[in-house]
Amino acid sequence: GAVVSQHPSWVICKSGTSVKIECRSLDFQATTMFWYRQFPKQSLMLMATSNEGSKATYEQGVEKDKFLINHASLTLSTLTVTSAHPEDSSFYICSARMPDSPNTEAFFGQGTRLTVV
Amino acid sequence: GQQLNQSPQSMFIQEGEDVSMNCTSSSIFNTWLWYKQDPGEGPVLLIALYKAGELTSNGRLTAQFGITRKDSFLNISASIPSDVGIYFCAGQLGGTYKYIFGTGTRLKVLA
Repeated sequence: GAVVSQHPSWVICKSGTSVKIECRSLDFQATTMFWYRQFPKQSLMLMATSNEGSKATYEQGVEKDKFLINHASLTLSTLTVTSAHPEDSSFYICSARMPDSPNTEAFFGQGTRLTVV
Repeated sequence: GQQLNQSPQSMFIQEGEDVSMNCTSSSIFNTWLWYKQDPGEGPVLLIALYKAGELTSNGRLTAQFGITRKDSFLNISASIPSDVGIYFCAGQLGGTYKYIFGTGTRLKVLA
C-alpha cells in the first residue's frame, strides 16, 4: 500500500507555456499532499502543502500565482507551472500521507523532471 | 527554505564496511524519517522514528531519534553495492505535517 504516482515522469516545454503535473495516491485517500522542488545535487525544498477542498499553503518565497495547486479530490493534486522559464527547470516531487494512519510518514511519487527550453 | 544539517556530505567506502551519517537541527522535531533516493527517482522511506531515544532497525539499517529531539543518525552495516545513492533525513515540524529535509549524504560503495 501507500503508493503515490506522478505524471508525467518528464516533460519538456517551451518558455512561456504552462505545464501541469499530476500527483495521485493510488491505494489510499490523501487529504494532504506536499509539493517539493529539487535542483541537481541539492536537497528537496518544500514548495507548498496541498489541502483537499481548500487553498494550498505556500512556503515563503514560492510564488502562488506561478505555481498553481489544485487538490480537487482525495486522490489527486495537480501542480501547474505557469509561464514557465528556463530557471523553473527542476525535479518536482509530490508526497502524501495516509490520513487515518497513527504515524505521520509521507510517501513520495517518482518525480517529474521539467525542462524549459 | 529551511534545511537540516546532514553530515557527511559524501562518503566513499569499501563493500562490507559500516556507514554512519547524522542529521542535526536547531529546532525540535516530532518525527524523524530517513529516505534513500536513486538518480531520477523519488525518495523511498527507509525508517521512521516517532519517540525521543527510539532506536529502530530495518535489516542492515539502524536509526535513532536523539534524546534532545534535535538530531538523528542512520547506520548501515556491511554495505553492499546497491546501497549506493543519496540518503536524506527529514524532520516533521511540530503541530504540522510538513517535513523539512536534510542536505543529503551521497554514498558510493566500492566493490
